[in-house]
This record gives sequence, structure tokens and C-alpha cells, in this order.
Amino acid sequence: QSALTQPRSVSGSPGQSVTISCTGPSSYVGTYKYVSWYQHHPGKAPKLMIYDVNRRPSGVPDRFSVSNSGNTASLTISGLRTEDEADYYCCSFAGSLYVFGTGTKVTVL
Amino acid sequence: EVQLVESGGGLVQPGGSLRLSCAASGFTFNNYWMSWVRQAPGKGLEWVASIRQDGNEKYYVDSVRGRFTISRDNTESSLYLQMSGLRAGDTAMYFCAKYDGYSLDYWGQGALVTVSS
Repeated sequence: QSALTQPRSVSGSPGQSVTISCTGPSSYVGTYKYVSWYQHHPGKAPKLMIYDVNRRPSGVPDRFSVSNSGNTASLTISGLRTEDEADYYCCSFAGSLYVFGTGTKVTVL
Repeated sequence: EVQLVESGGGLVQPGGSLRLSCAASGFTFNNYWMSWVRQAPGKGLEWVASIRQDGNEKYYVDSVRGRFTISRDNTESSLYLQMSGLRAGDTAMYFCAKYDGYSLDYWGQGALVTVSS
């Protein structure tokens, strides 16, 4: 049940794009429909941002998107905004269990 | 509106027990798997346990298996986490979350559990 690997931090200026990678065993991350992404502002409830390959819940802007290749899923935030500054986690279903990524802090410069 | 409200957190001594509750509303509780996820201070999110709609299938992360028990009361739309044999490493904010497919689409605000003497 090792955590999926994410970069510790990424940063960008308003309007730029940033990408967060999530790498793990192909049996987890390689089944893309099993991977979801969450935004977490400290002190608040985590929020689902992407699920089922590249679907967004109602209210999540299309600035958030996911691409997948092999055993890596990548979340891209385009047109970075100050409110995007938060921690982001990937998560994968792993055959009755769930495994989160190590988390990435996004800083808007 | 979906709401998940955790309660029951607090300070407990090592080796002690605590029961967390999660009151659910705004959706048909008995139609969904439910889960507990925790975040230790300064650390990332960690999945803890999940329970099937009827309560007859449960899964745990290795570090809590045998010490924690997830349960639910569908008549009360409530989720529980009975924690025993608590350790300092269990200190965390515990979140209740609702599944939709393979993702957690709604989360509560969390309940803080501190294990310390």
C-alpha cells in the first residue's frame, strides 16, 4: 500500500499552466478510470476535481484536465488563478483498497 | 445538498479508544459505499477504511486493521469508526467521505483525533 508518487511542489504565475504528475504501479495508475484528483485547502474539506479518466464534477472549471500515459497520470491547471493555490492529491483504487498520492503543493506566485 | 458532519474527535491517551461518527444527509445513504480518510499533521491524505452499502464488506489500510472497525447505520444515515489501541501515529484529522464509483465525491470537514499522554 505504498503511496503514489507526486512532486512535492509546483509553482506558476497567474495565467500560466502547471502540471502535477502521479506515478505508481501500472495496476493502479495504469487503469485510468480508477484515478481521481482532489484539491485540498488546509482547514477545509477536500474537493473532488477529476474522476473517471478526465471527467469534472459540476462546478469544476475546464481549466483542470488530466492526461494519462503508461503508469503516470498528470493533472494540468491552465490559466492559473490565485484560488488554485492548494494541495493536490491523486488517488487510485487498488483492488478493494485505495491509495493516495504523496501530495503536491501548488503555489501561485 | 449533500452534507457529511463528523463528530467524536478529541484527546485520548495511547492505548485508548474513541468512536467517530459521521451524520449524512442530502442523499440516499444506503445506496453508497462510504469511507474514512485521515491526514496526520503536516502529512498527506491517507485512506483508512471503506464499507459497502449493506455493511457486509469492509476494507482497511494495513496500519489500522485489527484496531479500527468501520460500521454504518443506514436507518440513521450514519457512519462510524471505532478506534482502539490508539497510537501517537493515529493522531490526525479524520474525514468522512462518500463514494461515487471509484472516487470520493463529497467529504466532511473532519474530526481531530489527538493521541497523547
